[in-house]
Amino acid sequence: EPEVTQTPSHQVTQMGQEVILRCVPISNHLYFYWYRQILGQKVEFLVSFYNNEISEKSEIFDDQFSVERPDGSNFTLKIRSTKLEDSAMYFCASSEAVAGYNEQFFGPGTRLTVL
Amino acid sequence: DAKTTQPPSMDCAEGRAANLPCNHSTISGNEYVYWYRQIHSQGPQYIIHGLKNNETNEMASLIITEDRKSSTLILPHATLRDTAVYYCIVRANYGGATNKLIFGTGTLLAVQP
Repeated sequence: EPEVTQTPSHQVTQMGQEVILRCVPISNHLYFYWYRQILGQKVEFLVSFYNNEISEKSEIFDDQFSVERPDGSNFTLKIRSTKLEDSAMYFCASSEAVAGYNEQFFGPGTRLTVL
Repeated sequence: DAKTTQPPSMDCAEGRAANLPCNHSTISGNEYVYWYRQIHSQGPQYIIHGLKNNETNEMASLIITEDRKSSTLILPHATLRDTAVYYCIVRANYGGATNKLIFGTGTLLAVQP
């Protein structure tokens, strides 16, 4: 069964450093998402991406964040200058379409630890 | 998107049916009810969704009341691997609608041996 994959599974970085989290969505999916979950808190939407542009973003997704689909398979989340409060699990998801069966498939997550 | 209310936790004996309720009294006509679950430290997993009619798949059944103000997710024979946080999410399903999922705190289902 096709699945969303994410690398790395755990990333440790120093405050102020840039990190790039990588995701490979399911191959025939058109919509891509990033969510995050701070330890013990809710899963929060960050951004959705379609047709090579951001379709929606939350207040959390400020200028420090960016997303890119650099080739036909990868979808990345970049945090330019990490802060302690960016420590969280970051989940990538993808879906075939918005309307109809909007089943979003989630990856296993990347645990980001900012020291 | 409509707000949902779920009990924070429930227990269920292994092999028995787990019935997880969700209240969505402000749901509007074009909003579907989705259920996802999150096993500890994993990504959320889609379970089932429905609009008006009851739905069943290989994982679960979804019962939606006639007025659509509440629903129940049924896991017919719960196993220890079903221990997870279960999220009831209401969202519209039409072109132009937001495609983000808004997760609440969900129900922590603990399946007991």
